[in-house]
Amino acid sequence: DAMVIQNPRYQVTQFGKPVTLSCSQTLNHNVMYWYQQKSSQAPKLLFHYYDKDFNNEADTPDNFQSRRPNTSFCFLDIRSPGLGDAAMYLCATSRAPPRLGFTDTQYFGPGTRLTVL
Amino acid sequence: AQKITQTQPGMFVQEKEAVTLDCTYDTSDPSYGLFWYKQPSSGEMIFLIYQGSYDQQNATEGRYSLNFQKARKSANLVISASQLGDSAMYFCAMREGSDYKLSFGAGTTVTVRA
Repeated sequence: DAMVIQNPRYQVTQFGKPVTLSCSQTLNHNVMYWYQQKSSQAPKLLFHYYDKDFNNEADTPDNFQSRRPNTSFCFLDIRSPGLGDAAMYLCATSRAPPRLGFTDTQYFGPGTRLTVL
Repeated sequence: AQKITQTQPGMFVQEKEAVTLDCTYDTSDPSYGLFWYKQPSSGEMIFLIYQGSYDQQNATEGRYSLNFQKARKSANLVISASQLGDSAMYFCAMREGSDYKLSFGAGTTVTVRA
């Protein structure tokens, strides 16, 4: 089945120790997104890629970076995790960018739950 | 200002009954999309149903239907014949115009009782 896969499902890191979260997709979608969801809150978009074009949300901290080496894979790098970065990180994909008349549904992976000690 | 408002933090529903989850939205863009997602305790965000601002008819997907009232800016989700597996958090979300971002509401926790 075509899907969005995230690894690992659970990640524990230490304060200040860089960590990388992985997302892959078999949907062949052009757009990939990273959302951060803190406990009992709604997801918040960090950034997205449309093909190789990277788009950062204005309020995404510099501590968060992303890489998309090819269509299938996208990585989230947290350079120096703080306690406030503990959250669920959700990767999503959509077939196309938003266009009038098209359903640009975002499909999410299972998420990676990050714990910072 | 909040773009998506979900006023029901939590709801209980009896198995096999229907439940309506409220969602109101705020936008001045004539082109937008409205989405409902289900998030079980496992954390995965599962797409349920979509309604485009220019769609003439209310969207339906199996047991899910969306009651779209454009003039009132509401997009309520109706789940018919509730099942125990429907217990989860439900998020209403909106995408406006050419913006990639989904704006989510605060969510509604649904608990289905046997």
